[in-house]
Amino acid sequence: DAGVTQTPRHEVAEKGQTIILKCEPVSGHNDLFWYRQTKIQGLELLSYFRSKSLMEDGGAFKDRFKAEMLNSSFSTLKIQPTEPKDSAVYLCASSPNQDTQYFGPGTRLLVL
Amino acid sequence: QQQVRQSPQSLTVWEGETAILNCSYENSAFDYFPWYQQFPGEGPALLIAIRSVSDKKEDGRFTIFFNKREKKLSLHITDSQPGDSATYFCAANGANTGKLTFGHGTILRVHP
Repeated sequence: DAGVTQTPRHEVAEKGQTIILKCEPVSGHNDLFWYRQTKIQGLELLSYFRSKSLMEDGGAFKDRFKAEMLNSSFSTLKIQPTEPKDSAVYLCASSPNQDTQYFGPGTRLLVL
Repeated sequence: QQQVRQSPQSLTVWEGETAILNCSYENSAFDYFPWYQQFPGEGPALLIAIRSVSDKKEDGRFTIFFNKREKKLSLHITDSQPGDSATYFCAANGANTGKLTFGHGTILRVHP
C-alpha cells in the first residue's frame, strides 16, 4: 500500500505570497491531520478531519492557515499570506482507527 | 501546557549499549502510547506502541515499559546501533479522541 504522500517536498516563498501544500492520505484512512514541526515548538496540530469533516482547525493558526479536504483522498493546506515565521516542516498524517497516525515525508517551507 | 514530557532532550550511547528514553504524562484519560522515530528529512514513523492495559510491549530490540500509577513510560533500545540515531517522540491518545499529544522528542546518537 502507498503511504501518505505530500507535495511539494520543498517550497520557497516570498513574504506575502500564497502557498498551497498537498497531501494524499493512505487509501481507506478516515482521519487526516496537518501538523507544523519546528525545533522550538515541536509538533503542533493545525487541522484535523474525520471522514472529511473538520474536527479541529488549530486555534491560533486559524487566521492565515486553511486546510480543506476536497475528497477522501486529497487535502490541501493553504497559507495566505505567508510570513517568515511560517518557515517550518509541514507534516500530513492519516489514521484508520483514531489511534495510530501515519505520517508523510513532509514539506519543508522557507519564507524569505 | 505540556501534557507529555520527554527526557532527556538528547542522549548519546555507544554501539551495543542500551538506550533508555523516558516519557511522562498528566492526563489520566490517555490510554494509548505510540513511540515514533524520525530521521532527518523524513516524517515520523511509528516504531512501537502500548495500551494502558499492558505494562510491557516488546518488538525486537525495542521495549516499552509502562507504569500507569506513576504515569510514566520508557523506551528501551537494547544493543543500540548507529542506524538507531534519530529523534524519538513519545505520544499519547485517550478516549478515542483521534488526536495524539506529542512530547518534544529525545535526540539519540549512537556512536560506533
